[in-house]
Amino acid sequence: RKEVEQDPGPFNVPEGATVAFNCTYSNSASQSFFWYRQDCRKEPKLLMSVYSSGNEDGRFTAQLNRASQYISLLIRDSKLSDSATYLCVVNRGGSYIPTFGRGTSLIVHP
Amino acid sequence: DTAVSQTPKYLVTQMGNDKSIKCEQNLGHDTMYWYKQDSKKFLKIMFSYNNKELIINETVPNRFSPKSPDKAHLNLHINSLELGDSAVYFCASSARPSGGRDIQYFGAGTRLSVL
Repeated sequence: RKEVEQDPGPFNVPEGATVAFNCTYSNSASQSFFWYRQDCRKEPKLLMSVYSSGNEDGRFTAQLNRASQYISLLIRDSKLSDSATYLCVVNRGGSYIPTFGRGTSLIVHP
Repeated sequence: DTAVSQTPKYLVTQMGNDKSIKCEQNLGHDTMYWYKQDSKKFLKIMFSYNNKELIINETVPNRFSPKSPDKAHLNLHINSLELGDSAVYFCASSARPSGGRDIQYFGAGTRLSVL
């Protein structure tokens, strides 16, 4: 099992749709979780950290399920500008070493 | 002001050549990284330096040698370039706050093409 796994997609959704991505991780000792966004031919940028109790930032909601070892990202009311690749990042258990998932591609169309 | 800047943005070179990529951050961070993103978009950590000291070396070939003259700079030198080295190389930095919540700030990337 890979350290961090994501469905590569692409997820093709109309504007206004709600879309959810999952990411699974293999190391049960991992403590830090993030979602990054990467636009085409650009660098990754932090979208949001993921906290144990779940957290929300505007239209974006992140959840952590430690028992099943997955994190999720929910995007409500999708905008054209949400089109990007969403990278799941998990720090290896007991260390700062970040492991990136391969990313999930989202395409929002009019 | 760009927080993490790397040069050059594009690098096209022949197999067997030696090349360097430079990276500088003005965020005051102690930790810097080099990542490689291949054609399948998989982003993998290569090296990490904390205050000029190497702390992560992810089984990268010896042809790759990072150098950190000070904590604001982390350069990457690559000897005897091979076709498989073609990728986008990203530099990043982080503040390493306690608790492991280590947010990465990336440079714009260097697109290396080896012909």
